[in-house]
Amino acid sequence: QQKVQQSPESLSVPEGGMASLNCTSSDRNFQYFWWYRQHSGEGPKALMSIFSDGDKKEGRFTAHLNKASLHVSLHIRDSQPSDSALYFCAASEPGGSNAKLTFGKGTKLSVKS
Amino acid sequence: EAAVTQSPRSKVAVTGGKVTLSCHQTNNHDYMYWYRQDTGHGLRLIHYSYVADSTEKGDIPDGYKASRPSQENFSLILELASLSQTAVYFCASSDTGAVNTLYFGAGTRLSVL
Repeated sequence: QQKVQQSPESLSVPEGGMASLNCTSSDRNFQYFWWYRQHSGEGPKALMSIFSDGDKKEGRFTAHLNKASLHVSLHIRDSQPSDSALYFCAASEPGGSNAKLTFGKGTKLSVKS
Repeated sequence: EAAVTQSPRSKVAVTGGKVTLSCHQTNNHDYMYWYRQDTGHGLRLIHYSYVADSTEKGDIPDGYKASRPSQENFSLILELASLSQTAVYFCASSDTGAVNTLYFGAGTRLSVL
C-alpha cells in the first residue's frame, strides 16, 4: 500500500484561481511533510516543509497540516500559468533521514490562462 | 542556488548493455542520492552516499550499482540494462542526512530497447 497518497491525480484551475492539493499518510510515524514542485523537463524543487499542526504560509502558497488525521494540504492562491507542474508530497518520521523520505505519486496541476 | 548537474540528459541503451549515469554537485554537500521516476510511482530511492568511496542501498537497489569516487561525483551504473529500467533518473544532494531540502538535478531520461 502506498504510504503517502495524493489527490487529486490531476487538477485544472483558471488563472487567478485557488488550487488545493491533498496528501495523506497511512503511516502514523510520518509527521514531517514536504512539498516539491517539478516543472516539465526539470528536476523537483522544494517548495516548503511543514512539521507542526496548523498553517504555514510562504507567499502565494499555504500548507496546512493536521497531524491527528495525517493530512497535509497545499493551497495556491492567485494561480499562475507558471504554477503548472507536477506537485509531490513527501513524508518522513520526526528526526528521520532523507534516505527514508517517502514520496507520493504526485498531482499534476494545470493553470489555464 | 545549489547546483546538481547530470549527464547525459538522455540516453538510449540496448538490453544487456552497460549504462553509466553521472552526477556532479558543486554544493559541497556530503549526501548524494539517486532516484528513479516512473509514471504512477513518484520518486523511489535507488542508492545514496554520505561519504566518498561508500554507497548505501535505497529502496529499489536491485539491478543497479553506485559509485562515489569523490564528494562531488556520484554515478549510477546499470551493468546489464533491462527494459524495465526505462525511466527518468534524478540525482540529488543534501548537506546532511537528516530530513532537509533535497537539491535535484534536471534528470536523465533513459530508454532501454
